[in-house]
Amino acid sequence: SAVISQKPSRDICQRGTSLTIQCQVDSQVTMMFWYRQQPGQSLTLIATANQGSEATYESGFVIDKFPISRPNLTFSTLTVSNMSPEDSSIYLCSVEDRTYQETQYFGPGTRLLVL
Amino acid sequence: AQTVTQSQPEMSVQEAETVTLSCTYDTSESDYYLFWYKQPPSRQMILVIRQEAYKQQNATENRFSVNFQKAAKSFSLKISDSQLGDAAMYFCAYRVRDDKIIFGKGTRLHILP
Repeated sequence: SAVISQKPSRDICQRGTSLTIQCQVDSQVTMMFWYRQQPGQSLTLIATANQGSEATYESGFVIDKFPISRPNLTFSTLTVSNMSPEDSSIYLCSVEDRTYQETQYFGPGTRLLVL
Repeated sequence: AQTVTQSQPEMSVQEAETVTLSCTYDTSESDYYLFWYKQPPSRQMILVIRQEAYKQQNATENRFSVNFQKAAKSFSLKISDSQLGDAAMYFCAYRVRDDKIIFGKGTRLHILP
């Protein structure tokens, strides 16, 4: 399976500011995914990032709030913009397995607290 | 719409004992994939086991095995010889190829020493 790293691992931010989360994979992957996990909840898909094209957002998530970049096949960023306390969550990126593409592996997550 | 239901929000098991976590799902698809993920306090989501719906044989990974009942749309996870490191949130998940993964709400497993 791919080795995935995320930066930062955690952060505390003031409302109204923005935070960019980085996701790095040790091999080239076609699709990368960004999830949000609110406290005590399950995972919700924010968007799918394909290299060279605009990210595809799920219902309830918009590009202005969660802009995503995918400059190459090993890297992606998710920005949480104009943050409010409701954005306090764990944000995880994931990639598909090269052989079993229905299977996803996850990064270690970024714990965000907005005050 | 596809849904995944984990009816046990929390469970406890004595160390070295066996525990079974339940999962049911609803789908009209015939070809799909099922997963169990583990999320310890470190928050990393770790794949425990995967099952392809077209395979009748239940998947196993060391102390972890599943009981896949396709007609009943049931996919339970059995953990044998429970260890303290098994304490975590366990998420059951479903996916049709090229579609998004759908997660259950999770079951928190406590291991009692």
